Amino acid sequence: QMQLQESGPGLVKPSETLSLTCTVSGGSINNYYWTWIRQPAGRGPEYIGRIYSSETSSGPINYNPSLKSRVTMSVDTSKNHFSLKLTSLSAADTAVYFCARVFTDGNSWYYDAFDLWGQGTMVTVSS
Amino acid sequence: QSALTQPASVSGSPGQSITISCTGTSSDIGGYNYVSWYQQHSDTAPKLIIYDVNIRPSGVSNRFSASKSGNTASLTISGLQAEDEGDYYCSSYTSSSSAIFGGGTKLTVL
Repeated sequence: QMQLQESGPGLVKPSETLSLTCTVSGGSINNYYWTWIRQPAGRGPEYIGRIYSSETSSGPINYNPSLKSRVTMSVDTSKNHFSLKLTSLSAADTAVYFCARVFTDGNSWYYDAFDLWGQGTMVTVSS
Repeated sequence: QSALTQPASVSGSPGQSITISCTGTSSDIGGYNYVSWYQQHSDTAPKLIIYDVNIRPSGVSNRFSASKSGNTASLTISGLQAEDEGDYYCSSYTSSSSAIFGGGTKLTVL
């Protein structure tokens, strides 16, 4: 049974860069779309971006237009994990960060539906 | 890109039905037949309960149903149970090929 686990620092200083990794266990990372989603306390989730992993390459990549200038996602198939970098952090970036898998029924991809989630990791931006 | 609009809270008694609305624009809900719904309990990740506007993933109770009309989607929970209490979020595909979520609705089972 496939599982996801986020890892990274819990505290980051303003203006610095956040780096998070999501490790996929119980299955191959390939042939799926993977996403990062964050959720500030007491608020709804916010989509960050989506990346596809295959044996030959990663991508295509899609980013939330409101975050696009600060976000980079990548996949490392040899380590069965994918990563997020978010630059120029501010207090507004404080949230629980989730990695998740895009749902497919075998025929179609549903880019707004996420059927497998990590437990989430709390990231606080503060000096 | 503003979040989809949901009521902050709804409530109902056990056995009753409730409906949660989710309003967007022609750039998201109104433009595509891709709406999903999630259930979230405290300190856990959201759980997918509806995709493709009105399809339930395997294992999700048939007490959950959903629909869409124009720029508004709706989730109905029938035969309310205590375990249904929690937060509910809608999401939609968007014109920028991304996803957008609602602000969330807190369901209280009285």
